Amino acid sequence: GNSVTQMEGPVTLSEEAFLTINCTYTATGYPSLFWYVQYPGEGLQLLLKATKADDKGSNKGFEATYRKETTSFHLEKGSVQVSDSAVYFCALSTGNQFYFGTGTSLTVIP
Amino acid sequence: DGGITQSPKYLFRKEGQNVTLSCEQNLNHDAMYWYRQDPGQGLRLIYYSQIVNDFQKGDIAEGYSVSREKKESFPLTVTSAQKNPTAFYLCASSFFHGYTFGSGTRLTVV
Repeated sequence: GNSVTQMEGPVTLSEEAFLTINCTYTATGYPSLFWYVQYPGEGLQLLLKATKADDKGSNKGFEATYRKETTSFHLEKGSVQVSDSAVYFCALSTGNQFYFGTGTSLTVIP
Repeated sequence: DGGITQSPKYLFRKEGQNVTLSCEQNLNHDAMYWYRQDPGQGLRLIYYSQIVNDFQKGDIAEGYSVSREKKESFPLTVTSAQKNPTAFYLCASSFFHGYTFGSGTRLTVV
């Protein structure tokens, strides 16, 4: 079956620290992979995506590379800001249905 | 601008009452979804619909009902049979490999 496993939080970092949130997946076929971000009290917003192996998605300084050999899609950012505090969800899609990880809460302190 | 509109943003329900959450999209997406999110937890799929006049149960459909009479609209009714309805409800729509989320409705039982 299809599933996504992401590192449990919460994660607390100081401003300008390096961020990695791990995400691995199990899927049949050739999934597309996504990272979504949820700010407090809001819905989920697409942060970045990759649709095939070795693709790199990037947005707002965040990056993730689709690694088929390790079935991973880890989220990274070189220097986090207080405004990056949110919950981050890894997800995969093999068609019209999505499978979400449980979310990782990130708090960035000044 | 195209998007998904959920209303109301906050909803209070007395025990034993049915309430309906609205979800409208103008993205011309075929598929629509309802998720429930509890504090500190991930997303759980309640119902989804891939075409007008058709819908399927998700992982936690008990105590909920939906209809899909129009492509643009996918309302969710939380019935009195749902024993623990207090949660954050998210509606989403998709077309191939992309989900768009609404901003959510927070339902509280009083």
